Amino acid sequence: GESVGLHLPTLSVQEGDNSIINCAYSNSASDYFIWYKQESGKGPQFIIDIRSNMDKRQGQRVTVLLNKTVKHLSLQIAATQPGDSAVYFCAENTGGFKTIFGAGTRLFVKA
Amino acid sequence: AAGVIQSPRHLIKEKRETATLKCYPIPRHDTVYWYQQGPGQDPQFLISFYEKMQSDKGSIPDRFSAQQFSDYHSELNMSSLELGDSALYFCASSTGQSIGNTIYFGEGSWLTVV
Repeated sequence: GESVGLHLPTLSVQEGDNSIINCAYSNSASDYFIWYKQESGKGPQFIIDIRSNMDKRQGQRVTVLLNKTVKHLSLQIAATQPGDSAVYFCAENTGGFKTIFGAGTRLFVKA
Repeated sequence: AAGVIQSPRHLIKEKRETATLKCYPIPRHDTVYWYQQGPGQDPQFLISFYEKMQSDKGSIPDRFSAQQFSDYHSELNMSSLELGDSALYFCASSTGQSIGNTIYFGEGSWLTVV
């Protein structure tokens, strides 16, 4: 079956450094991917998305890279701040009205 | 800006009881999604509705049912509750299909089954 997963369960970075969170997906037919940030006790918050016809998309301090050849997705956060500490999920849209989440990566930002 | 509203925020029920969660989507959003998130787990897709019709179904137990009403709000009904149903239940909304349309999540409803 389809699945979306993350390579690392936790990531610890120094404040000001760049963070890279990775994600692997298995459904090669998926054409829409989203990164969410979830703070403790809150709902997932949209960060950035990318469609399969692109390999890179940039937002404010965040960049998503998509490598369809190896079915890999990454989220890069520039100049990581304490407020970036959260769990990050990649999600895959399988078409229509269903978005599947992968296992999250907890990001710790050390001051 | 208005967000997705969920109620109640916290709910405690006993085993075998019934619970109902409500979701009010962002105004003018016609699609509602329900997710279940256990402690330390990723959100699991349960079910979605578009224009008051079920549009997609995930790992929703047969003991659960949901619907979307004419005002686009949605309710998730859970019967014969089990301890394993204890989780955070999220509702989300979007306009139309989720591809290319941002899904906005509510703050969730905490269900504890004792």
